[in-house]
Amino acid sequence: QVQLVESGGGMVPPGRSLRLSCAASGFDFSSYGMNWVRQVPGKGLEWVATIWNDGNVQHHADSVKGRFTIARDNSKTTLYLEMNSLRVEDTAVYFCAKISSPRLGYVDNWGQGTLVTVSS
Amino acid sequence: QSALTQPASVSGSPGQSITISCTAAGSDAGYYQYFSWYQQFPGKAPKLIIYDGSRRPSGVSNRFSGSKSGYTASLTISGLQAEDEGLYFCSSYTTFSTVFGGGTTVTVL
Repeated sequence: QVQLVESGGGMVPPGRSLRLSCAASGFDFSSYGMNWVRQVPGKGLEWVATIWNDGNVQHHADSVKGRFTIARDNSKTTLYLEMNSLRVEDTAVYFCAKISSPRLGYVDNWGQGTLVTVSS
Repeated sequence: QSALTQPASVSGSPGQSITISCTAAGSDAGYYQYFSWYQQFPGKAPKLIIYDGSRRPSGVSNRFSGSKSGYTASLTISGLQAEDEGLYFCSSYTTFSTVFGGGTTVTVL
């Protein structure tokens, strides 16, 4: 079955960087688009970024554009989120999420999430 | 403010049916053609319960159903049970982004 395991979360001061990883298994990783979605505990879901199956196209939410970069390594079946210039408002649980098709579509599987806390 | 608006909370008694609405607003409203719904319990990841507006993934109870009219998608839970208590999100996507509603807390009285 589909497994998505995030790692790399933690506590960092404002302005620092962090890289999240998501190890995928149980499906043909190179055939599906992937998302990062975040959630402040107890609040709503916020889409962060999408990357197409071949890695050639990425889209980022305005709130993270220019600071975060989504990437993937299909040979390692791993999704990444490079986060720079972190802000207090980036504090959230970050979910890795599989899309139902190579490019666009609904999320059909979620990881368990990794907590990122930005605080001085 | 989310591009998809949901009521903050909906409640019902066991056995009743409840409906959660999800209304698209703003300049991109017409682009949101396909809606999905997710159920989430505290401390857990969301789970897909409806996709493409009205389709259920394998293993999801047929008490969950979805529909769409105009710019509004709806999730109906029939025969409400205590185990349905949780948070429900709608979602849609365009060529360039994915959006989520603010979430609806379902309470079983």
